Amino acid sequence: GESVGLHLPTLSVQEGDNSIINCAYSNSASDYFIWYKQESGKGPQFIIDIRSNMDKRQGQRVTVLLNKTVKHLSLQIAATQPGDSAVYFCAENIGGGSNYKLTFGKGTLLTVNP
Amino acid sequence: DAEITQSPRHKITETGRQVTLACHQTWNHNNMFWYRQDLGHGLRLIHYSYGVHDTNKGEVSDGYSVSRSNTEDLPLTLESAASSQTSVYFCASRADGGKQFFGPGTRLTVL
Repeated sequence: GESVGLHLPTLSVQEGDNSIINCAYSNSASDYFIWYKQESGKGPQFIIDIRSNMDKRQGQRVTVLLNKTVKHLSLQIAATQPGDSAVYFCAENIGGGSNYKLTFGKGTLLTVNP
Repeated sequence: DAEITQSPRHKITETGRQVTLACHQTWNHNNMFWYRQDLGHGLRLIHYSYGVHDTNKGEVSDGYSVSRSNTEDLPLTLESAASSQTSVYFCASRADGGKQFFGPGTRLTVL
């Protein structure tokens, strides 16, 4: 089976609330992780990445947390907006070197209610 | 601005026909990838290339081929289209050690 998975397939939040999307991975050798956002009919859009030598990284309204002890990755979106409604994927790279190949989870559908 | 494009965006074909999907990027990235996306499976890697004249098979490569004659393009060919190849296809590119970016996708229907 896939080594990257998601705890919740769907998440519904109110506009203005914070959202947390979770991802579990099973391979302790994974050294690089990416979160993507995919809106209906569009390609995945890069949101934020994190390397395994970090446990937290912040972007604009988004934070990724990495817990290597329990092999868990989360994406936090602050002050969620209707435009954040989309499917969110986590992806992991297994193996070293710059020529990585990503393995993707199936995604979580985030719905933001106005 | 640099970008990655795919064409056509929609394609309907018949079983047994050869189909080629185009992918073009203007970032001068060495690394290019083709994925298919199906409900219940997420994104699955078909073929990838780490540079000109380099091609590699991904996890679902049967029935597909690619060629890399220049840095900008990685066309994906379905030698004899099958109904099981009805899917949405995404091309992606990445600089060495860099972030991976995706194209807008091609929706292929095989009748």
